[in-house]
Amino acid sequence: DTGVSQDPRHKITKRGQNVTFRCDPISEHNRLYWYRQTLGQGPEFLTYFQNEAQLEKSRLLSDRFSAERPKGSFSTLEIQRTEQGDSAMYLCASSTRVTGGPGYNEQFFGPGTRLTVL
Amino acid sequence: KQEVTQIPAALSVPEGENLVLNCSFTDSAIYNLQWFRQDPGKGLTSLLLIQSSQREQTSGRLNASLDKSSGRSTLYIAASQPGDSATYLCAVRWSNDYKLSFGAGTTVTVRA
Repeated sequence: DTGVSQDPRHKITKRGQNVTFRCDPISEHNRLYWYRQTLGQGPEFLTYFQNEAQLEKSRLLSDRFSAERPKGSFSTLEIQRTEQGDSAMYLCASSTRVTGGPGYNEQFFGPGTRLTVL
Repeated sequence: KQEVTQIPAALSVPEGENLVLNCSFTDSAIYNLQWFRQDPGKGLTSLLLIQSSQREQTSGRLNASLDKSSGRSTLYIAASQPGDSATYLCAVRWSNDYKLSFGAGTTVTVRA
């Protein structure tokens, strides 16, 4: 069990460019979440997957944002036409719904991807 | 509206003192509550998870209590050390929901 991993750890881009982030959840965790955190604030929910199905999207997720989880394993978060307001830490978390398993209903977070839009 | 609040935003204590961190939430219909630690520029490390049916959870020097009726959770850290300096975040999973709702955190500094 290597934990949740995210790539890249840091991304600097110019306004208007597209960026894509990847998240690899803990193996066999069927639930995956994306959150966004700005300086001095707690993380805010963006979207949630159960297996490959995207079950909920926050109103924070404008039409410039899209997330996928093909085959129910890793997930990608893409931001098109980035804006300076998109600068934040993007956090991925995973959990399992298998009753009694380690981390049942406990969300485990990755190290995050720090996005800076110039 | 379902909200999570952490007060104070920052706390400074001398080494060895016990830490008491507060978390309040507006709706008693919670599924569970997690406490996290976050070091500057890093991700979140889960410290303790309390299910809605539990009153407290302990791990080493950490103890977290939950009082749903008053909408409060408290994280106690015994005999604080400089290495405990970090931001501590409280997060609530509401009933019939999957996502976590976070407080803004309490930044702790333990002075040597």
